[in-house]
Amino acid sequence: GIQVEQSPPDLILQEGANSTLRCNFSDSVNNLQWFHQNPWGQLINLFYIPSGTKQNGRLSATTVATERYSLLYISSSQTTDSGVYFCAVERRNGANNLFFGTGTRLTVIP
Amino acid sequence: ETGVTQSPTHLIKTRGQQVTLRCSSQSGHNTVSWYQQALGQGPQFIFQYYREEENGRGNFPPRFSGLQFPNYSSELNVNALELDDSALYLCASSFGGGGSPLHFGNGTRLTVT
Repeated sequence: GIQVEQSPPDLILQEGANSTLRCNFSDSVNNLQWFHQNPWGQLINLFYIPSGTKQNGRLSATTVATERYSLLYISSSQTTDSGVYFCAVERRNGANNLFFGTGTRLTVIP
Repeated sequence: ETGVTQSPTHLIKTRGQQVTLRCSSQSGHNTVSWYQQALGQGPQFIFQYYREEENGRGNFPPRFSGLQFPNYSSELNVNALELDDSALYLCASSFGGGGSPLHFGNGTRLTVT
């Protein structure tokens, strides 16, 4: 399968701070998604971004497919941003399934 | 637009028993994928159903089986439950079988004692 590595594994931020989460993957992909899993286990789709840059409010993401990495930016963090952020990829010409990274656990403190 | 719904939300079973989990796909979606998420880990792909046929399978034994119905809803069946089957089971729906974004339900938390 494809390897998906996320960094950092853990991150603690003061409310209002900015952060960058990174996802590296080992093969060409035709699907890359960023998810936020809240403390209740809900997996929320943040971005579908196999390439390029997208923004949604305080969040933005960039995927550089040729260099096999993606970045998730969180600006002006809020306590509700706490949870685990997953990057997941679907390998190009592979089986139709997402491979998930091990996640970044974000804690935002007031 | 109706999102992905899963039932039940929680379930407790005894080792050796069988369990059926259910998933209704988001309206307009024809593909359903199932994932298992053990505590502290990322979700792992079990299998996918597209147009009522299995369309890919992860590294799970045959006692994990599934169905997709004409309305694109799906079931995950697990026979001969083991303690290690305790996990959050997530269903995701999408359109087209691959290369399109997945939308996840809230999951079913299964505990095997």
